Amino acid sequence: KAGVTQTPRYLIKTRGQQVTLSCSPISGHRSVSWYQQTPGQGLQFLFEYFSETQRNKGNFPGRFSGRQFSNSRSEMNVSTLELGDSALYLCASSLVLGYEQYFGPGTRLTVT
Amino acid sequence: AQKITQTQPGMFVQEKEAVTLDCTYDTSDPSYGLFWYKQPSSGEMIFLIYQGSYDQQNATEGRYSLNFQKARKSANLVISASQLGDSAMYFCAMREGGGGTSYGKLTFGQGTILTVHP
Repeated sequence: KAGVTQTPRYLIKTRGQQVTLSCSPISGHRSVSWYQQTPGQGLQFLFEYFSETQRNKGNFPGRFSGRQFSNSRSEMNVSTLELGDSALYLCASSLVLGYEQYFGPGTRLTVT
Repeated sequence: AQKITQTQPGMFVQEKEAVTLDCTYDTSDPSYGLFWYKQPSSGEMIFLIYQGSYDQQNATEGRYSLNFQKARKSANLVISASQLGDSAMYFCAMREGGGGTSYGKLTFGQGTILTVHP
Protein backbone atom coordinates (compact mmCIF):
# COMPACT_ATOMS: atom_id res chain seq x y z
CA LYS A 1 0.00 0.00 0.00
CA ALA A 2 1.44 3.38 -0.97
CA GLY A 3 2.24 5.80 1.82
CA VAL A 4 1.35 9.43 2.20
CA THR A 5 2.68 11.50 -0.66
CA GLN A 6 3.38 15.20 -0.63
CA THR A 7 4.15 17.50 -3.51
CA PRO A 8 6.29 19.34 -4.14
CA ARG A 9 9.11 18.13 -1.93
CA TYR A 10 11.04 21.38 -2.08
CA LEU A 11 9.91 24.90 -2.78
CA ILE A 12 11.56 28.29 -2.82
CA LYS A 13 9.32 31.35 -2.74
CA THR A 14 9.72 35.07 -2.26
CA ARG A 15 8.15 37.12 0.53
CA GLY A 16 4.65 38.21 -0.35
CA GLN A 17 3.96 35.32 -2.70
CA GLN A 18 1.52 32.55 -2.00
CA VAL A 19 2.05 28.81 -2.10
CA THR A 20 -0.09 25.67 -2.31
CA LEU A 21 1.08 22.34 -0.96
CA SER A 22 -0.57 19.05 -1.77
CA CYS A 23 -1.03 15.86 0.21
CA SER A 24 -2.42 12.49 -0.89
CA PRO A 25 -3.29 10.24 2.05
CA ILE A 26 -2.91 6.50 2.29
CA SER A 27 -5.66 4.80 0.34
CA GLY A 28 -8.72 4.42 2.54
CA HIS A 29 -7.65 7.05 5.05
CA ARG A 30 -10.20 9.80 5.48
CA SER A 31 -8.46 12.13 7.92
CA VAL A 32 -5.62 14.44 6.95
CA SER A 33 -3.65 16.65 9.33
CA TRP A 34 -1.03 19.27 8.62
CA TYR A 35 1.93 20.24 10.81
CA GLN A 36 4.64 22.87 10.57
CA GLN A 37 8.11 21.98 11.80
CA THR A 38 10.74 24.62 12.50
CA PRO A 39 13.96 24.47 14.55
CA GLY A 40 12.67 27.12 16.94
CA GLN A 41 9.04 26.10 17.45
CA GLY A 42 9.28 22.38 16.82
CA LEU A 43 6.24 20.57 15.47
CA GLN A 44 3.05 22.58 15.54
CA PHE A 45 -0.41 21.52 14.50
CA LEU A 46 -1.96 23.51 11.67
CA PHE A 47 -5.31 21.89 10.94
CA GLU A 48 -7.11 18.64 10.41
CA TYR A 49 -9.69 17.59 7.86
CA PHE A 50 -12.11 14.73 7.88
CA SER A 51 -14.76 14.10 5.24
CA GLU A 52 -13.96 17.41 3.56
CA THR A 53 -14.60 19.36 6.77
CA GLN A 54 -12.04 21.15 8.89
CA ARG A 55 -12.39 19.57 12.32
CA ASN A 56 -9.68 21.37 14.20
CA LYS A 57 -7.35 24.32 13.69
CA GLY A 58 -4.12 25.30 15.40
CA ASN A 59 -2.97 28.77 16.40
CA PHE A 60 -1.88 30.08 13.06
CA PRO A 61 -2.90 33.29 11.29
CA GLY A 62 -5.60 33.31 8.65
CA ARG A 63 -2.93 33.33 5.95
CA PHE A 64 -2.79 29.59 6.47
CA SER A 65 -5.74 27.75 5.00
CA GLY A 66 -6.55 24.33 3.71
CA ARG A 67 -9.15 22.13 2.19
CA GLN A 68 -9.92 18.50 1.57
CA PHE A 69 -11.44 17.01 -1.52
CA SER A 70 -13.93 14.19 -1.87
CA ASN A 71 -11.12 11.71 -2.58
CA SER A 72 -9.52 12.73 0.77
CA ARG A 73 -6.61 14.52 -0.91
CA SER A 74 -5.79 17.76 0.83
CA GLU A 75 -4.15 21.04 0.01
CA MET A 76 -2.87 23.78 2.22
CA ASN A 77 -2.32 27.34 1.12
CA VAL A 78 -0.19 30.05 2.62
CA SER A 79 -0.75 33.55 1.33
CA THR A 80 1.47 36.60 1.68
CA LEU A 81 4.48 34.54 2.63
CA GLU A 82 6.79 35.75 5.38
CA LEU A 83 10.37 34.73 6.12
CA GLY A 84 9.15 32.97 9.24
CA ASP A 85 7.03 30.62 7.15
CA SER A 86 10.18 28.80 6.08
CA ALA A 87 9.67 25.32 7.48
CA LEU A 88 9.09 21.66 6.81
CA TYR A 89 5.38 21.13 6.27
CA LEU A 90 4.26 17.65 7.15
CA CYS A 91 1.01 16.01 6.20
CA ALA A 92 -0.33 13.00 8.06
CA SER A 93 -3.24 10.72 7.34
CA SER A 94 -5.23 8.39 9.54
CA LEU A 95 -8.07 6.00 9.00
CA VAL A 96 -10.45 8.10 11.03
CA LEU A 97 -10.07 10.85 13.61
CA GLY A 98 -7.93 9.85 16.57
CA TYR A 99 -6.21 6.84 15.08
CA GLU A 100 -2.47 6.61 14.47
CA GLN A 101 -1.28 9.23 12.04
CA TYR A 102 1.08 8.27 9.24
CA PHE A 103 3.24 11.04 7.90
CA GLY A 104 4.43 11.92 4.45
CA PRO A 105 7.99 12.98 3.59
CA GLY A 106 7.13 16.65 3.94
CA THR A 107 7.51 19.74 1.80
CA ARG A 108 10.44 21.94 2.65
CA LEU A 109 9.47 25.55 2.01
CA THR A 110 12.09 28.27 1.91
CA VAL A 111 10.95 31.88 1.82
CA THR A 112 13.54 34.43 0.68
CA ALA B 1 2.41 24.85 30.31
CA GLN B 2 4.18 22.22 28.28
CA LYS B 3 1.87 19.34 27.56
CA ILE B 4 4.65 17.03 26.42
CA THR B 5 8.12 17.23 27.92
CA GLN B 6 11.17 15.42 26.66
CA THR B 7 14.01 16.35 28.97
CA GLN B 8 16.83 14.68 27.05
CA PRO B 9 17.96 16.81 24.09
CA GLY B 10 20.46 14.11 23.14
CA MET B 11 21.21 10.52 24.07
CA PHE B 12 24.06 8.20 23.17
CA VAL B 13 23.95 4.43 23.22
CA GLN B 14 26.26 1.62 22.19
CA GLU B 15 25.09 -0.68 19.43
CA LYS B 16 23.16 -3.72 20.76
CA GLU B 17 22.43 -2.06 24.09
CA ALA B 18 19.02 -0.89 25.29
CA VAL B 19 18.12 2.78 25.69
CA THR B 20 15.23 4.61 27.34
CA LEU B 21 13.93 7.91 26.02
CA ASP B 22 11.93 9.91 28.53
CA CYS B 23 8.57 11.55 28.02
CA THR B 24 6.23 13.14 30.54
CA TYR B 25 2.85 14.59 29.71
CA ASP B 26 0.25 16.82 31.24
CA THR B 27 -3.47 16.49 30.69
CA SER B 28 -6.64 16.57 32.72
CA ASP B 29 -8.53 14.57 30.13
CA PRO B 30 -9.11 10.96 31.24
CA SER B 31 -9.07 9.78 27.63
CA TYR B 32 -5.88 10.33 25.70
CA GLY B 33 -3.38 8.56 23.51
CA LEU B 34 0.39 8.65 23.51
CA PHE B 35 2.55 8.13 20.45
CA TRP B 36 6.21 7.85 19.61
CA TYR B 37 7.60 8.83 16.24
CA LYS B 38 11.07 8.54 14.75
CA GLN B 39 12.39 11.19 12.39
CA PRO B 40 15.57 10.30 10.49
CA SER B 41 17.63 13.00 8.82
CA SER B 42 15.48 12.55 5.69
CA GLY B 43 12.65 14.29 7.55
CA GLU B 44 9.87 11.74 7.32
CA MET B 45 8.08 10.96 10.58
CA ILE B 46 7.82 7.22 11.20
CA PHE B 47 5.14 5.94 13.57
CA LEU B 48 6.63 3.57 16.18
CA ILE B 49 4.18 2.79 18.94
CA TYR B 50 0.88 3.83 20.54
CA GLN B 51 -0.48 3.62 24.09
CA GLY B 52 -4.05 4.46 25.02
CA SER B 53 -4.83 5.88 28.43
CA TYR B 54 -7.15 2.99 29.24
CA ASP B 55 -4.79 0.28 28.05
CA GLN B 56 -3.92 -2.05 30.91
CA GLN B 57 -0.69 -3.33 29.46
CA ASN B 58 2.35 -1.53 28.15
CA ALA B 59 2.46 -1.38 24.37
CA THR B 60 5.15 -3.29 22.50
CA GLU B 61 6.12 -3.31 18.83
CA GLY B 62 9.14 -5.43 18.01
CA ARG B 63 12.19 -3.82 19.61
CA TYR B 64 10.10 -0.89 20.87
CA SER B 65 8.19 -0.88 24.10
CA LEU B 66 6.43 1.89 25.94
CA ASN B 67 6.88 2.09 29.70
CA PHE B 68 3.54 3.66 30.65
CA GLN B 69 3.29 4.95 34.22
CA LYS B 70 -0.08 6.65 34.38
CA ALA B 71 0.17 8.00 37.92
CA ARG B 72 3.50 9.63 37.09
CA LYS B 73 2.21 10.76 33.70
CA SER B 74 5.19 9.30 31.94
CA ALA B 75 5.43 7.33 28.72
CA ASN B 76 9.03 6.39 28.16
CA LEU B 77 10.15 4.65 25.00
CA VAL B 78 12.48 1.69 25.41
CA ILE B 79 14.50 0.53 22.42
CA SER B 80 16.11 -2.83 22.92
CA ALA B 81 19.21 -4.06 21.06
CA SER B 82 19.96 -0.69 19.45
CA GLN B 83 21.03 -0.64 15.83
CA LEU B 84 23.00 1.97 13.89
CA GLY B 85 19.84 2.70 11.91
CA ASP B 86 18.10 3.79 15.10
CA SER B 87 20.11 7.03 15.07
CA ALA B 88 17.45 9.70 14.58
CA MET B 89 15.27 12.27 16.34
CA TYR B 90 12.52 10.74 18.45
CA PHE B 91 9.30 12.55 19.28
CA CYS B 92 6.72 11.81 21.92
CA ALA B 93 3.21 13.05 21.12
CA MET B 94 -0.19 13.11 22.75
CA ARG B 95 -3.75 13.15 21.51
CA GLU B 96 -6.35 14.35 23.98
CA GLY B 97 -10.06 13.82 24.13
CA GLY B 98 -12.46 11.04 23.39
CA GLY B 99 -14.24 12.59 20.47
CA GLY B 100 -14.00 16.28 21.24
CA THR B 101 -12.91 18.94 18.82
CA SER B 102 -9.25 18.41 19.59
CA TYR B 103 -9.49 14.67 19.01
CA GLY B 104 -7.28 14.46 15.98
CA LYS B 105 -4.66 16.95 17.05
CA LEU B 106 -1.26 15.68 18.11
CA THR B 107 0.86 17.75 20.48
CA PHE B 108 4.55 16.97 20.19
CA GLY B 109 7.48 17.24 22.55
CA GLN B 110 10.73 18.90 21.51
CA GLY B 111 12.34 15.62 20.64
CA THR B 112 15.43 13.65 21.64
CA ILE B 113 18.31 13.04 19.26
CA LEU B 114 19.52 9.47 19.64
CA THR B 115 22.98 8.54 18.41
CA VAL B 116 23.94 4.88 18.26
CA HIS B 117 27.68 4.21 18.37
CA PRO B 118 29.20 1.08 16.78
